Amino acid sequence: EPEVTQTPSHQVTQMGQEVILRCVPISNHLYFYWYRQILGQKVEFLVSFYNNEISEKSEIFDDQFSVERPDGSNFTLKIRSTKLEDSAMYFCASSLRTGGYEQYFGPGTRLTVT
Amino acid sequence: GIQVEQSPPDLILQEGANSTLRCNFSDSVNNLQWFHQNPWGQLINLFYIPSGTKQNGRLSATTVATERYSLLYISSSQTTDSGVYFCAVNDYKLSFGAGTTVTVRA
Repeated sequence: EPEVTQTPSHQVTQMGQEVILRCVPISNHLYFYWYRQILGQKVEFLVSFYNNEISEKSEIFDDQFSVERPDGSNFTLKIRSTKLEDSAMYFCASSLRTGGYEQYFGPGTRLTVT
Repeated sequence: GIQVEQSPPDLILQEGANSTLRCNFSDSVNNLQWFHQNPWGQLINLFYIPSGTKQNGRLSATTVATERYSLLYISSSQTTDSGVYFCAVNDYKLSFGAGTTVTVRA
């Protein structure tokens, strides 16, 4: 069964450093998402992406964040200058279409900012 | 935005017991998904259930969209069922509830 993959599984970085989290969505899916979960809290939507453009973003997704689909398979989330409060689990998801179609989640990347 | 409330927040079960988790949502939605978060933090898709009832082994789910709630049933619980169960409503993006933490004791 096709699945969403994410790398790395765990990343430790120092405050102020740039990080790039990588995702490979399911190959025929057209919509891509990033979510994050701060330890002990609920999962929160960050951004959705379709046709090489951001479709929607939350208030969390400020200028420090960016997303890109650099080639036909990868989907990345970049945090330019990490803060302590960026420490969280980051999930990538994809769906065939939008508007209520099932979203398939990757295993997550645990980001620790020290 | 859509509000999603899950109850109870915590549930402690003896192995073999049955339980029901509830998810209420504040507005009409296109769809609803249930997830299990395992001890490694991974979100495991359990059900994609816009309406009606689905079953997968010892788990089943029912969504009554017109009344804005969904129920997840765990039957004959096992220790491997422990973890956090999230419902999320789908209206172009997923809005998650705060989860129900289930602990199954041997």
